[in-house]
Amino acid sequence: QKEVEQDPGPLSVPEGAIVSLNCTYSNSAFQYFMWYRQYSRKGPELLMYTYSSGNKEDGRFTAQVDKSSKYISLFIRDSQPSDSATYLCAMMPYTGGGNKLTFGTGTQLKVEL
Amino acid sequence: ETGVTQTPRHLVMGMTNKKSLKCEQHLGHNAMYWYKQSAKKPLELMFVYSLEERVENNSVPSRFSPECPNSSHLFLHLHTLQPEDSALYLCASSQVPVEAGGPQETQYFGPGTRLLVL
Repeated sequence: QKEVEQDPGPLSVPEGAIVSLNCTYSNSAFQYFMWYRQYSRKGPELLMYTYSSGNKEDGRFTAQVDKSSKYISLFIRDSQPSDSATYLCAMMPYTGGGNKLTFGTGTQLKVEL
Repeated sequence: ETGVTQTPRHLVMGMTNKKSLKCEQHLGHNAMYWYKQSAKKPLELMFVYSLEERVENNSVPSRFSPECPNSSHLFLHLHTLQPEDSALYLCASSQVPVEAGGPQETQYFGPGTRLLVL
């Protein structure tokens, strides 16, 4: 079993839709949870960074962490064609490990006009 | 320059060539990382330098040789590569806690070098 599972997609939605992207994980030591956005042929860009359980909102983006279910989500409201990218979830424990991240495979999202 | 920069952005090399990838971080971080990204696979961590010491080498073939002359610069020296080494090579940096038990910080990535080995 992989430590982090993420559906690779592709996920295709119409402009304006609400998008839900998800990851599950198996390591209960993970305390920090991140979402990175990666456009084609570019490096990953940090989008959201949360600690422990709960919700965090930033503009059209909401990150949700449910540690009891080992499940994290990223919601995108009013999706735009410019949101078309691959979204990577990543996580790490609170301490130790030299900031090593464990990544999902990424979900490819396409927002169509 | 801001953030994490990488050069070159694209590289084509033959299996007998020697080349180097360069990474520079302008964030004042004390740890740097090399990753390999291939299609449909999670990011593969190759090397970690923390406080200028190599702390991790994830069973990477010896044809990849990292060098970290200071906390701002990281190189990946390449020689006698194979076609399956073609991938996007990403550099990242972060601030690791200096004292044991301190909270962790996430990593910031450069734009990557797209490598094609013929």
